Amino acid sequence: DPKIIQKPKYLVAVTGSEKILICEQYLGHNAMYWYRQSAKKPLEFMFSYSYQKLMDNQTASSRFQPQSSKKNHLDLQITALKPDDSATYFCASSPQGTEVFFGKGTRLTVV
Amino acid sequence: GDSVTQKEGLVTLTEGLPVMLNCTYQTIYSNAFLFWYVHYLNESPRLLLKSSTDNKRTEHQGFHATLHKSSSSFHLQKSSAQLSDSALYYCALRRINSGGSNAKLTFGKGTKLSVKS
Repeated sequence: DPKIIQKPKYLVAVTGSEKILICEQYLGHNAMYWYRQSAKKPLEFMFSYSYQKLMDNQTASSRFQPQSSKKNHLDLQITALKPDDSATYFCASSPQGTEVFFGKGTRLTVV
Repeated sequence: GDSVTQKEGLVTLTEGLPVMLNCTYQTIYSNAFLFWYVHYLNESPRLLLKSSTDNKRTEHQGFHATLHKSSSSFHLQKSSAQLSDSALYYCALRRINSGGSNAKLTFGKGTKLSVKS
């Protein structure tokens, strides 16, 4: 059973629209993250949260806003979508320590 | 900032031959964890190996790697490639912060390993 659930698996959005990517983890981890993988680029760190508080933000654009309504949730709201936002977005979590566990990703295509 | 270099974008091998995927890194921090993640299509990237100990070999599922701080390298090896090893392999670095806080992972670009019969 997947322990980090990302919804939806695939998403097609129109330029200028707004979407929310959902992430729930059932590993009991206190730290959660978002990573992005664009075409032909490495996995890129976006945000980290610990105990529902933003710890690190490496995303330049304010159009990307993480939202943590519950301890095991970290959704990603993206506004004013652009074609360059097309990527696979991975949610991840970790216990206090080293190993990071990833979800299967949401593949976003902006047309 | 931190960086990880995986020079090979694609490695194609015949089944049974040895595997070596290169990884070098740069960080100003003396303490860092190095990782290898494997990513199969339509699956989650998952941890394959990790190490923070200089010159100590770490092994898992037939793969092994040794962190060499003197050369800033953490190459992934396997003695005999299998068809099922075909996947994308990422090398990643994470600083070890004091207090054990959760620093970000910095990934290399990934190496696609294609094993053919």
